[in-house]
Amino acid sequence: KQEVTQIPAALSVPEGENLVLNCSFTDSAIYNLQWFRQDPGKGLTSLLLIQSSQREQTSGRLNASLDKSSGRSTLYIAASQPGDSATYLCAVWSGYSTLTFGKGTMLLVSP
Amino acid sequence: DTGVSQDPRHKITKRGQNVTFRCDPISEHNRLYWYRQTLGQGPEFLTYFQNEAQLEKSRLLSDRFSAERPKGSFSTLEIQRTEQGDSAMYLCASSPPGGAYEQYFGPGTRLTVT
Repeated sequence: KQEVTQIPAALSVPEGENLVLNCSFTDSAIYNLQWFRQDPGKGLTSLLLIQSSQREQTSGRLNASLDKSSGRSTLYIAASQPGDSATYLCAVWSGYSTLTFGKGTMLLVSP
Repeated sequence: DTGVSQDPRHKITKRGQNVTFRCDPISEHNRLYWYRQTLGQGPEFLTYFQNEAQLEKSRLLSDRFSAERPKGSFSTLEIQRTEQGDSAMYLCASSPPGGAYEQYFGPGTRLTVT
């Protein structure tokens, strides 16, 4: 059974800092990995999707890397802003019907 | 262009009552998923449909839960005899043909059982 772990559970940083969120998964036989953002009381917004054959994906200030063999992914956020405050969820697709999610990292960026 | 919509957005009910939620997927998306998310947890899979067929159900989906997707369009999730442990955010997602992993999520229905 696939299990996804995210560290840290919560993170508080001042505006402007670069930060890294971590995700690990137990079964390396994945097809892809996604990072989502969730604002309080809202649904999920997909940020980045990395196919298993890729090493990283970039979108603006976000960069996600994938090391499939070691079962790890990181989400790097450059020059953080208060608007980045949200919960960030990592999810893997193992070729079955559903995504398996971690519990998320709650990020607070203070002005 | 509309995304996935869910109704209602919030529902407060008393223990023992039945509740029904609706999800309208993105048009032409053939797969529809239901997830449940409790506070501090990631979404957990409940069930999914391909067109009108319910192809998989999680063991989280007890006998009190039933989901339908008549005609392969919108879907409903009903919870009978609600319990306080059912309090959660119920998320719906849909995906296009050939893109099962490319799931687009709705805003969710927040259920509070008092």
